Amino acid sequence: ETGVTQTPRHLVMGMTNKKSLKCEQHLGHNAMYWYKQSAKKPLELMFVYSLEERVENNSVPSRFSPECPNSSHLFLHLHTLQPEDSALYLCASSQEPGTGVPYEQYFGPGTRLTVT
Amino acid sequence: GENVEQHPSTLSVQEGDSAVIKCTYSDSASNYFPWYKQELGKRPQLIIDIRSNVGEKKDQRIAVTLNKTAKHFSLHITETQPEDSAVYFCAASNLFGQGNLIFGKGTKLSVKP
Repeated sequence: ETGVTQTPRHLVMGMTNKKSLKCEQHLGHNAMYWYKQSAKKPLELMFVYSLEERVENNSVPSRFSPECPNSSHLFLHLHTLQPEDSALYLCASSQEPGTGVPYEQYFGPGTRLTVT
Repeated sequence: GENVEQHPSTLSVQEGDSAVIKCTYSDSASNYFPWYKQELGKRPQLIIDIRSNVGEKKDQRIAVTLNKTAKHFSLHITETQPEDSAVYFCAASNLFGQGNLIFGKGTKLSVKP
């Protein structure tokens, strides 16, 4: 699979577990994003990394911890989650935003997370 | 910050009819308005976009119109087909600011054959 890949595709975890979601992009982009997709908020931006620096954190609970070791990889570390955190977590990448040039966000297939 | 409202949340049309989805935005600095389509079980994908220096853009059966004064923009799909059935998201961004896309809540379009 090319473009933006995510692993795992499905994850079931208990509230006391620690797990990580992984995203990798093969498009040469320098910005990456985490979105939460649920019935209530279909595309909720969680984190933005541009040039490997976090530029936005939309008041996301600390039980979600992002990591961007380089421009091609993005992780979302999860610990002590709540059942309401069950959702589809989408990763996306793009050219650097805020440069005045329109850009497309390329989404990954998502990780379906269920917290029991 | 920017806030994008999208209506309707669901839309059902007969094959061959037209469909219109409307969005409003709050930040007058927004100057880029893309539309994404998400088919069932698939990832969102860009289908068309418009910049604030243009009032209308068309690509085959889809078109987008923008009214900067009223701060609203719309997606028009003509001659709808069953494969147009999907969730459509509008978004707004200031390309010269932080540049992040702020998405609407989506419209689930069902095209009945």
